[in-house]
Amino acid sequence: EAQVTQNPRYLITVTGKKLTVTCSQNMNHEYMSWYRQDPGLGLRQIYYSMNVEVTDKGDVPEGYKVSRKEKRNFPLILESPSPNQTSLYFCASKRSSGANVLTFGAGSRLTVL
Amino acid sequence: GENVEQHPSTLSVQEGDSAVIKCTYSDSASNYFPWYKQELGKRPQLIIDIRSNVGEKKDQRIAVTLNKTAKHFSLHITETQPEDSAVYFCAASINNFNKFYFGSGTKLNVKP
Repeated sequence: EAQVTQNPRYLITVTGKKLTVTCSQNMNHEYMSWYRQDPGLGLRQIYYSMNVEVTDKGDVPEGYKVSRKEKRNFPLILESPSPNQTSLYFCASKRSSGANVLTFGAGSRLTVL
Repeated sequence: GENVEQHPSTLSVQEGDSAVIKCTYSDSASNYFPWYKQELGKRPQLIIDIRSNVGEKKDQRIAVTLNKTAKHFSLHITETQPEDSAVYFCAASINNFNKFYFGSGTKLNVKP
């Protein structure tokens, strides 16, 4: 089944404790991206990657890092999480050419205390 | 950067009525406008999209219209059904479909 898989789905952590949210897709998509969803703000793009070793900032990249060492994986790294990063995070992927349909993962709900 | 505004934030209609959700964008370079539906606790899923070289697109009960001059686009749902109840997000994309800017969402409630 074609899908985008995120882990963990739920995480409660404390301020300053580094964490990584993994994202993997099995559709051979070149493009991957991360979003955060907050009430009243919709989805905001954090980072995106057009292909392996190519990443770029979205609208709200502060406090986040990403890497794209393999085509299927695009982890989101919070080096020193803060409470304002408490949010619902979605990873998405799509082909770089043709249809622009974003396929989203199931979401990762992160709480930073 | 691009700014997408979406209205209304909540919309309640009777089953069978039509629903209209409106979005405006600020960057005339935006050239792709998708709409995503997010059911409660689920991931967003594309329901319809339109490119800037087209003024209207229909898919069964759903249609999207685009006015490039006024920089606004709208989602129209006819003959609404309870399963249409969800949060709907509009979005605008620039930079060769790599950067996406989403509206704040509209919670649609279809009353049986």
